[in-house]
Amino acid sequence: GEDVEQSLFLSVREGDSSVINCTYTDSSSTYLYWYKQEPGAGLQLLTYIFSNMDMKQDQRLTVLLNKKDKHLSLRIADTQTGDSAIYFCAETSNTGNQFYFGTGTSLTVIP
Amino acid sequence: DTEVTQTPKHLVMGMTNKKSLKCEQHMGHRAMYWYKQKAKKPPELMFVYSYEKLSINESVPSRFSPECPNSSLLNLHLHALQPEDSALYLCASSQDPGQGSYEQYFGPGTRLTVT
Repeated sequence: GEDVEQSLFLSVREGDSSVINCTYTDSSSTYLYWYKQEPGAGLQLLTYIFSNMDMKQDQRLTVLLNKKDKHLSLRIADTQTGDSAIYFCAETSNTGNQFYFGTGTSLTVIP
Repeated sequence: DTEVTQTPKHLVMGMTNKKSLKCEQHMGHRAMYWYKQKAKKPPELMFVYSYEKLSINESVPSRFSPECPNSSLLNLHLHALQPEDSALYLCASSQDPGQGSYEQYFGPGTRLTVT
């Protein structure tokens, strides 16, 4: 299967911006996604980007896609303690049925 | 409404028990999924149903048996599980591919403990 890699941990102070990075290997990816998972909960879809876009903004969230380098990032502006969670990037295969999840980044927000 | 529901929330079962996990969505999605997730790891795909037919089985042991009675419901029947099967079991659904973006919506999961 495709490899989707993320750094394991990120720690930021409340009010600062967080940037979570993701790299993938499948050059035929069509959609790329960011999910948030709080302890003991399911995955919450935050946002997604189509592969022909390079940026998408949604309130405090900004997604940047560098298709040439196969690099995806999620920036969270004005990070709050409620943003502490594990963040997974994911990409779909051509059929769209199969998601390939990244290893997950655990974000800790320090008050 | 982007809700996927799962029952039960928690399940403890012995290795000789038979139990079932249930998942339901009313978004008109035609693809449904079972994932297994161990602590602090990404979800691992187990099964995919597309239009109520099993389209992907990721070499899952036969002690896990999926069933899709209709387009809104997905079950996972469990029998003779092992302690290493203890995990969070997540259900998800999505529009059928070919109708736009493929985002998957996840339920809250069933926390399964096998004793």
